[in-house]
Amino acid sequence: KAGVTQTPRYLIKTRGQQVTLSCSPISGHRSVSWYQQTPGQGLQFLFEYFSETQRNKGNFPGRFSGRQFSNSRSEMNVSTLELGDSALYLCASSLALGMGTDTQYFGPGTRLTVL
Amino acid sequence: AQTVTQSQPEMSVQEAETVTLSCTYDTSENNYYLFWYKQPPSRQMILVIRQEAYKQQNATENRFSVNFQKAAKSFSLKISDSQLGDTAMYFCAFRGAGGTSYGKLTFGQGTILTVHP
Repeated sequence: KAGVTQTPRYLIKTRGQQVTLSCSPISGHRSVSWYQQTPGQGLQFLFEYFSETQRNKGNFPGRFSGRQFSNSRSEMNVSTLELGDSALYLCASSLALGMGTDTQYFGPGTRLTVL
Repeated sequence: AQTVTQSQPEMSVQEAETVTLSCTYDTSENNYYLFWYKQPPSRQMILVIRQEAYKQQNATENRFSVNFQKAAKSFSLKISDSQLGDTAMYFCAFRGAGGTSYGKLTFGQGTILTVHP
């Protein structure tokens, strides 16, 4: 079974631009979570989507948004990019069918650099 | 809010030896899940082991085992017969069982483990 895939793997943008990152979960997985990883703040939860609905959200400004499609693929968007948005963005998927099926499996990440 | 603390920024061990990584957490929930993930230089986050809080028995996966002390809110990872491929950043993570924890892992700051030949 294929793992979680993320595209693109690397991205360079300039301040003020917007960016869209994509995540395809493991086949059959219905939940997709997004995390931001930086040297200073570590790993921080952005949001989680399940059956096309955002069920949970972390403490990030409204410039960070996401969505999930009917095939469980997810995208996250960051508008008006700031230098501090430079980070590794990780996507994780899980079955989320109830107790014991919530283990998250991660993709390889998208490295975003904002200049 | 839950917090996860890894007090060892860096650890090193000789190949074939045993090493223990520490993790403590804070929560008011009674039911939850704990995980150890490793992140090698490739940056791919890989699940190492998982523990359900309602299970008293410590989880084991081949050379990896945990010491789960619920009352002390401690969750350490023991790696036996260390191998060069174990060199990575190790993260301890917490997930609550309630609705406010949907899809949310809270991570510690990580421990860099280096295995020397």
